[in-house]
Amino acid sequence: GAGVSQSPSNKVTEKGKDVELRCDPISGHTALYWYRQSLGQGLEFLIYFQGNSAPDKSGLPSDRFSAERTGGSVSTLTIQRTQQEDSAVYLCASSHGTVGGYEQYFGPGTRLTVT
Amino acid sequence: AQSVTQLDSQVPVFEEAPVELRCNYSSSVSVYLFWYVQYPNQGLQLLLKYLSGSTLVKGINGFEAEFNKSQTSFHLRKPSVHISDTAEYFCALVSGGYQKVTFGTGTKLQVIP
Repeated sequence: GAGVSQSPSNKVTEKGKDVELRCDPISGHTALYWYRQSLGQGLEFLIYFQGNSAPDKSGLPSDRFSAERTGGSVSTLTIQRTQQEDSAVYLCASSHGTVGGYEQYFGPGTRLTVT
Repeated sequence: AQSVTQLDSQVPVFEEAPVELRCNYSSSVSVYLFWYVQYPNQGLQLLLKYLSGSTLVKGINGFEAEFNKSQTSFHLRKPSVHISDTAEYFCALVSGGYQKVTFGTGTKLQVIP
């Protein structure tokens, strides 16, 4: 079956513009995660969705970042008024939880460059 | 609170030599532990996982890891590395039935010909 997909694969935007990043998880996966990976840095947790529960937003770095997950499937990460420090690869992952042994399946990422 | 520590940010090793990548964790409840690998310019993929049972876990590409509860460690080992093992390796944990995953900062394995 299809894996996790993300779009766009690359995004170049001007400072101050808003961007939307999309994630299509594996069908049936109840959990969805967003991470940020900056050059030379590890994985920074951003937000976690689990079924119909309220998302865990504890990793969002500022109120310019928000995310939603519609219908328990597709998720969009929005960054408003982008700054140069937002440049990074944004990774999405999904998981089937206990059924899948908590294994996360990662998408290829969206490389965001803010000029 | 839970945490994962990978003390070595980079590990250079000669081809065909053994390697150990260290991972220590902190959690007050039971844990599930994972190693993920990220090859250059690619996404992350699961290398191996420990959920329960035997503390020695075997994964893909000849890697294995041992869960040591008393040492709170989950070190990754391979007896003989190849050039193709050059990648970044991330240790991660899930604890307490909550699916949020905590990742370590990663270890870059550089295999030298």
